[in-house]
Amino acid sequence: EVQLVESGGGLVQPGGSLRLSCVASGFTFSSYWMHWARQAPGKGLVWVSRINTDGSFTDYADSVKGRFTISRDNTKNTLYLQVNSLRAEDTALYYCVRQAPHKPLDYWGQGTLATVSS
Amino acid sequence: EVVLTQSPGTLSLSPGERATLSCRASQSVSVNFLAWYQQKPGQAPRLLISDASTRATGIPDRFSGSGSGTDFTLTISRLEPEDFAVYYCQQYGSSPLTFGGGTKVEIK
Repeated sequence: EVQLVESGGGLVQPGGSLRLSCVASGFTFSSYWMHWARQAPGKGLVWVSRINTDGSFTDYADSVKGRFTISRDNTKNTLYLQVNSLRAEDTALYYCVRQAPHKPLDYWGQGTLATVSS
Repeated sequence: EVVLTQSPGTLSLSPGERATLSCRASQSVSVNFLAWYQQKPGQAPRLLISDASTRATGIPDRFSGSGSGTDFTLTISRLEPEDFAVYYCQQYGSSPLTFGGGTKVEIK
């Protein structure tokens, strides 16, 4: 069974940082591109970032470019998102999502909530 | 950036009725890489349709997707009680990946 379990969210002040993690199981992690998407409370889905299978390619939404960094450790089956210089508008449930090449985002974790507030 | 516009924002229907949801793209979606997701309150999105018209594994055949280029449709032939939810379209053919704003299907 495919499982994606996120962690690392919490309450942080504006300008602060968090490191989000996602542990994958039930599939060959190193064969899949991985993504982060987010959803602000009561709002729609927004794509944040993606990384290819070996970590050599990364891509970001303009709204987070220069502040967020995606990475992965295929030896630990773990995806990361380092989020810096946080703003109130970054408050959201952050989802870890799997993607096979040229396929849709097919499995989503349950998300980890990051709240940015003073 | 491919902007996806979903309509209507809310669809009020009764169980057994047919639901037709629209997703319009600001430019042609590359290779018809268009997906539909269902999201219920407190749950993660679930993939329903990929490549505009291919049902994902385990998705009932009352769900169907159609369209190409810039106009796409998700049809639920006969609404079951568990189908009342929010539906999102998403394109994965070009970066940035983008989602539509969602259509809420509610019980009338």
